[in-house]
Amino acid sequence: SQQGEEDPQALSIQEGENATMNCSYKTSINNLQWYRQNSGRGLVHLILIRSNEREKHSGRLRVTLDTSKKSSSLLITASRAADTASYFCAYSAGNNRKLIWGLGTSLAVNP
Amino acid sequence: GAGVSQSPSNKVTEKGKDVELRCDPISGHTALYWYRQSLGQGLEFLIYFQGNSAPDKSGLPSDRFSAERTGGSVSTLTIQRTQQEDSAVYLCASSLDTGSNEKLFFGSGTQLSVL
Repeated sequence: SQQGEEDPQALSIQEGENATMNCSYKTSINNLQWYRQNSGRGLVHLILIRSNEREKHSGRLRVTLDTSKKSSSLLITASRAADTASYFCAYSAGNNRKLIWGLGTSLAVNP
Repeated sequence: GAGVSQSPSNKVTEKGKDVELRCDPISGHTALYWYRQSLGQGLEFLIYFQGNSAPDKSGLPSDRFSAERTGGSVSTLTIQRTQQEDSAVYLCASSLDTGSNEKLFFGSGTQLSVL
């Protein structure tokens, strides 16, 4: 299956702690994106990292990409209760326009 | 509108009935995607439109599923003779279609329940 794999499946932390989620894939990719989903409805784009980039920051988010290990991680620093959501990685490969999605990590940040 | 709009937000139907789901993308976005998400699962690709044409229909699960897009804007996903396994959230997304490094903007989805 080309589906991305994410771990952990679920993560529960206290407010103020950092949260790290990982995504692994099996092919060469063009880019990898992270999305957030609240309450099982619409997804919101968080960050995109290209295959020739190794690290990217956006506010409290830090994404890394290791193409040799075919993996990416999303770090949320100083977490807040409002960060509680599901986080998905998605990547594109070759000329294929459709994104391949991971199964997501469910993050719970406890106040 | 400013974002991707989907309607209805919820749809309950009886097995065997046909349903039509609508997606209104962000103005100017030429690419439009339909996904399906079952409870607690990732996104399952259904179909992709570039303008009014659908270069990739590979994700449509059966011939009961069809989609069209007119005027390069609104898209409808039709499911005929619905089955209980069709119950899921159907998500629509659009993008500027500038190449492979594009981000998707999602609607809030339609929760379909087939009884």
